[in-house]
Amino acid sequence: GENVEQHPSTLSVQEGDSAVIKCTYSDSASNYFPWYKQELGKRPQLIIDIRSNVGEKKDQRIAVTLNKTAKHFSLHITETQPEDSAVYFCAAGDSGGSNYKLTFGKGTLLTVNP
Amino acid sequence: NAGVTQTPKFQVLKTGQSMTLQCAQDMNHEYMSWYRQDPGMGLRLIHYSVGAGITDQGEVPNGYNVSRSTTEDFPLRLLSAAPSQTSVYFCASSDHDAGSYNEQFFGPGTRLTVL
Repeated sequence: GENVEQHPSTLSVQEGDSAVIKCTYSDSASNYFPWYKQELGKRPQLIIDIRSNVGEKKDQRIAVTLNKTAKHFSLHITETQPEDSAVYFCAAGDSGGSNYKLTFGKGTLLTVNP
Repeated sequence: NAGVTQTPKFQVLKTGQSMTLQCAQDMNHEYMSWYRQDPGMGLRLIHYSVGAGITDQGEVPNGYNVSRSTTEDFPLRLLSAAPSQTSVYFCASSDHDAGSYNEQFFGPGTRLTVL
């Protein structure tokens, strides 16, 4: 099955700096890569996703890049703010056939220091 | 729309007891799933369903049963609770377009402690 590795497990940055979280996946059939943000005690919420036919996607201060050859995708947050502090999860999934399972990474705790 | 709802929010069980975690969605989503979240382990898929009457196992299915008799409801049953099942449980749902993923919406979670 799919295996998703996520690094780093913790990341501390100063307000205004950029933050980068990286994930690798093992199954070349995976074609969907979402990123979720989970604040303390809350449910995970989708912040951005990318499909395998796209190399990069941007939404305001958040961007995701995908390298299918290397089986690698990354989340980039620019101009970080204290409210960006949360746990971020990457995931990978294969929408082929009727298999809609998502495999999640173990998460990155991002702390933005004011 | 209430979205995805889960009950109860908190539950304490003794080893060997059984219980059902409830999950419901009012978005007419075909796909529903159950995850457990443990510290440092991310979200691990327990069971999922692509429509009423259809369920399948995820990564960690042992000790759990599911059924899907309606589009709206997807209960998770613990047959004989064990301390290893202490966790936060999330239910999620999404649209089901052929050959394409859609956003999974998560419920608020159920925090379960097994003594």
